[in-house]
Amino acid sequence: TQLLEQSPQFLSIQEGENLTVYCNSSSVFSSLQWYRQEPGEGPVLLVTVVTGGEVKKLKRLTFQFGDARKDSSLHITAAQPGDTGLYLCAGAWRGAQKLVFGQGTRLTINP
Amino acid sequence: ETGVTQTPRHLVMGMTNKKSLKCEQHLGHNAMYWYKQSAKKPLELMFVYNFKEQTENNSVPSRFSPECPNSSHLFLHLHTLQPEDSALYLCASSRTGDGRSNQPQHFGDGTRLSIL
Repeated sequence: TQLLEQSPQFLSIQEGENLTVYCNSSSVFSSLQWYRQEPGEGPVLLVTVVTGGEVKKLKRLTFQFGDARKDSSLHITAAQPGDTGLYLCAGAWRGAQKLVFGQGTRLTINP
Repeated sequence: ETGVTQTPRHLVMGMTNKKSLKCEQHLGHNAMYWYKQSAKKPLELMFVYNFKEQTENNSVPSRFSPECPNSSHLFLHLHTLQPEDSALYLCASSRTGDGRSNQPQHFGDGTRLSIL
């Protein structure tokens, strides 16, 4: 049983479309991080959300942390080919040193 | 340019070989991590070092042996590996591993390991 479930696992859409990917858990997290990993590279942090209901924007990317701090979503507006990659969410518990990662959403944006 | 450098980038080895993976961070961080990334599986934490001391061993088989001589360097010594150990091995660092785990982790680009 995975602590963090990401959906969908794969998503292929056309340039200019909007999309939302989800990260869900039955556990309550003290914070949640989103990373993007491109082929041949390590994951790179996009954002950290800490407060229930928090919304953060990074250009065309909007991240939301659920009110109960058990889930999160990433919405991309007007997707670009440069958004292609593996999107990983990772949850952290207060006092614990480790992050728990979801299995990721592999996103492909077609020109 | 990444502040975390991993070498080699690719490694092919037989099951009886002994090899080592190296990770170096130039960020002044005090915590370092080894992860295993396999296809269709979540990123798996293997080991955590905080101020050179191992603070987490996630039930990793003894054929993987980590070494952390200082806060900037981390090694993963490999011996008698199995085909199922083929994966991308990622190193990461964070400012501190004192329990404030909402700190970002900075990853290297990984070593792609293939076991013949």
